[in-house]
Amino acid sequence: EADIYQTPRYLVIGTGKKITLECSQTMGHDKMYWYQQDPGMELHLIHYSYGVNSTEKGDLSSESTVSRIRTEHFPLTLESARPSHTSQYLCASSPPGTENEKLFFGSGTQLSVL
Amino acid sequence: GQQLNQSPQSMFIQEGEDVSMNCTSSSIFNTWLWYKQDPGEGPVLLIALYKAGELTSNGRLTAQFGITRKDSFLNISASIPSDVGIYFCAGQRGSQGNLIFGKGTKLSVKP
Repeated sequence: EADIYQTPRYLVIGTGKKITLECSQTMGHDKMYWYQQDPGMELHLIHYSYGVNSTEKGDLSSESTVSRIRTEHFPLTLESARPSHTSQYLCASSPPGTENEKLFFGSGTQLSVL
Repeated sequence: GQQLNQSPQSMFIQEGEDVSMNCTSSSIFNTWLWYKQDPGEGPVLLIALYKAGELTSNGRLTAQFGITRKDSFLNISASIPSDVGIYFCAGQRGSQGNLIFGKGTKLSVKP
């Protein structure tokens, strides 16, 4: 059972609002990730972090930003949401060393921007 | 852009049937993984493969790391209704590289 939590599970907001998607893990993993997934599509990496004070952009360009002030917390922020941001956002973490490929995912946040 | 080709895109099968799906790439990967995503949830790791030719089982699931290191296969034997979901392959190049995911195979099982 993975100990990684995302809130909210569902979010419906209006265009122009600022939002923050929360992600927390209690496994002490250094590396954390944010993926964006449209229905029936593959997961696209938008941000990742190697540890505290580390943030990197992923393969898919995103207008969102992330921060990593604490090991267990990796929030994602959209300053001004638009309908094109409507998607599922999945947070994940991985153990260090030789098992870093084994990602543990949260349940996701389904974001709808009207 | 898309680097992993996963097929089939979807499957409708009868309970009890065996299932096969595969993932191919034009690039070599050092690690292949298979994840399953239930509706409304995040993906869960099923099997990880680390050596070319490796065959690994997890219950009714069996996966193989292709000899060329450019493909992988997942088989599910005697399917049951709870096998329903989307199965994703993922590849990792270096030992610390980020995963690249396929588009997934959506499996539906009729009781």
